[in-house]
Amino acid sequence: KQEVTQIPAALSVPEGENLVLNCSFTDSAIYNLQWFRQDPGKGLTSLLLIQSSQREQTSGRLNASLDKSSGRSTLYIAASQPGDSATYLCAVRGGSYIPTFGRGTSLIVHP
Amino acid sequence: GAVVSQHPSRVICKSGTSVKIECRSLDFQATTMFWYRQFPKQSLMLMATSNEGSKATYEQGVEKDKFLINHASLTLSTLTVTSAHPEDSSFYICSAILQTGYTEAFFGQGTRLTVV
Repeated sequence: KQEVTQIPAALSVPEGENLVLNCSFTDSAIYNLQWFRQDPGKGLTSLLLIQSSQREQTSGRLNASLDKSSGRSTLYIAASQPGDSATYLCAVRGGSYIPTFGRGTSLIVHP
Repeated sequence: GAVVSQHPSRVICKSGTSVKIECRSLDFQATTMFWYRQFPKQSLMLMATSNEGSKATYEQGVEKDKFLINHASLTLSTLTVTSAHPEDSSFYICSAILQTGYTEAFFGQGTRLTVV
């Protein structure tokens, strides 16, 4: 059974810092990995989707990498802003096509 | 990206009543929809997978008679919480995919259910 772990569980940084959020998964036979953002009391907003054949995806200040063989993905946030404060979730999809989620990293960026 | 609309966003109901939550894919046909439950500060726990026109597949520990899922069309799935109790209070989120395989999963905005 796929297990997804996210480290750190929580992070508090001053504005402007570059951040790395980590996601690891136990079964490397995945189709894709997706990073989401969740604001308090809200649903999920998709940030980046990486297919298993890709190594990274970029969108604005966000860059996600995937190392399938080692079961790891990182989300890099450049020049963090207070508006980036949210919970970041990663989800992997394997043979069952069902997204399996980590517990998330709760990020606070203070001015 | 594709849009998944979930309704209502917030509902308060009395113990013993039933509540229906709708999940619609607005601009694509979703062959498969997922229903998740999220407790405070916890991750999303899969409750069930529903495919259009067939019975939902429930995860272990999820009572199918309590959480009724209907996926009557390629754009609509509903979750009905029957005879709700305070312990059913939670955040419920649906997800839809265009087709099994390599596509993105799109999520609704969630429904905050409070049972009093």
